Amino acid sequence: DAKTTQPTSMDCAEGRAANLPCNHSTISGNEYVYWYRQIHSQGPQYIIHGLKNNETNEMASLIITEDRKSSTLILPHATLRDTAVYYCIAGYINTGTASKLTFGTGTRLQVTL
Amino acid sequence: DGGITQSPKYLFRKEGQNVTLSCEQNLNHDAMYWYRQDPGQGLRLIYYSQIVNDFQKGDIAEGYSVSREKKESFPLTVTSAQKNPTAFYLCASSDRGEWGYTFGSGTRLTVV
Repeated sequence: DAKTTQPTSMDCAEGRAANLPCNHSTISGNEYVYWYRQIHSQGPQYIIHGLKNNETNEMASLIITEDRKSSTLILPHATLRDTAVYYCIAGYINTGTASKLTFGTGTRLQVTL
Repeated sequence: DGGITQSPKYLFRKEGQNVTLSCEQNLNHDAMYWYRQDPGQGLRLIYYSQIVNDFQKGDIAEGYSVSREKKESFPLTVTSAQKNPTAFYLCASSDRGEWGYTFGSGTRLTVV
C-alpha cells in the first residue's frame, strides 16, 4: 500500500465544514483512497472511498486531485458526534483474495461548540 | 442486520494464560482480519484469512494463533508467548471488490 501523510490533529467549529487533507504521493494507478473514522474505543467506520473521481455520499465528500497525489475529506456540517480519529488509506483491493489495508495514526478531529 | 460481532467487549486475564477472542460475521464475506491497536497508535495486522481453512501471518503474528474452520468465524488466541498482550483487538471482514473493510466493535484485553 502507498504511504499516506495526514496532520496529527485538527479543530473545527460545529456547523462548519471540516476539510481533512491527506497526501499519498506514491499511490499507484490501481490503488483506491479510503477514509475511515474511529470514535474512541470503537471499531473504525467506513466513510467513503474513490479511485480518481470525486465522490459524495450521505456522510461526506471525497475530493481527489487530478494527479491523485492528494485528497481531501469534507464533512459539510460538522457536529460534535464527528469528533474522532480519521484515517486516510491508499490501498489496493484484490478482487480475488484478501486485501490488507494499512492504517496509520490518522488525524484527530475535534469539533467544538 | 448484517455485521461483525466481537465478544467479549472487555476481557481480563492473568499473565501466562492463553485467551481466545471471538469474531463472528454474517455478511458472507470471504476474508477476515485481526488487528491490534495500542493507545495513540494505528492498527497493526496480526493475521488474515482469505477463505476457510486458510490464513496468513500479518506484521505482528508472534504470540498469536488463529483458526478458520467456518466462513463466519475467525477466533484469535493470544498465547502466553505474547510479551505485551494488553491492547485493543479489532476484527474485520471484507468481500471481493472495492468496498474495503467492515469492523467489529473490538475487544479490550487487559492482562494483569
